[in-house]
Amino acid sequence: GNSVTQMEGPVTLSEEAFLTINCTYTATGYPSLFWYVQYPGEGLQLLLKATKADDKGSNKGFEATYRKETTSFHLEKGSVQVSDSAVYFCALSEWTNAGKSTFGDGTTLTVKP
Amino acid sequence: GAVVSQHPSRVICKSGTSVKIECRSLDFQATTMFWYRQFPKQSLMLMATSNEGSKATYEQGVEKDKFLINHASLTLSTLTVTSAHPEDSSFYICSARASGGDQETQYFGPGTRLLVL
Repeated sequence: GNSVTQMEGPVTLSEEAFLTINCTYTATGYPSLFWYVQYPGEGLQLLLKATKADDKGSNKGFEATYRKETTSFHLEKGSVQVSDSAVYFCALSEWTNAGKSTFGDGTTLTVKP
Repeated sequence: GAVVSQHPSRVICKSGTSVKIECRSLDFQATTMFWYRQFPKQSLMLMATSNEGSKATYEQGVEKDKFLINHASLTLSTLTVTSAHPEDSSFYICSARASGGDQETQYFGPGTRLLVL
């Protein structure tokens, strides 16, 4: 079956530091890959996505590249802000699996001023 | 665009009562909606897939008689927790997938926090 493995947290960084949150996946077909962000007490918001190999998703300074050869979709940001503090979920979705998403366990990021 | 709302955002009820949670796609039609449950500091657990006009598909281990799902229109799905007990206390999140176009992206509601006393 499908699975998503994320870097364990929590991750604590100082403002303006570089962020990497690792994500690898296992899938039977050709999934689309997503990063979602969840702020305290809220639902998930789509941060970025990529639908095929070598695609790069980007949004709000975050980016991730779909690497089929390493089955990875690592999230990066060059300079984090305090407002980026949240839980980040990596996920995959396959149309052949009724569009269901498989989520990683989430990585909590805390950015200190 | 692609906004999903949930109501109520927070509910406290007595043990044994039933609670209905609504999930609405505000600016798009959603043939499929998903219901998740999230425990503190954990990932989302898919409970069921709700398809407009047909019966929901429940994940293994989820009691369909306890968690009633109705998807009566292309913009509304409801989850009713019947005879709620304290162990049903959780954060319930719905998501919707747009009909047509990008059918792999899910848009999430803000969640409903249920506390059963």
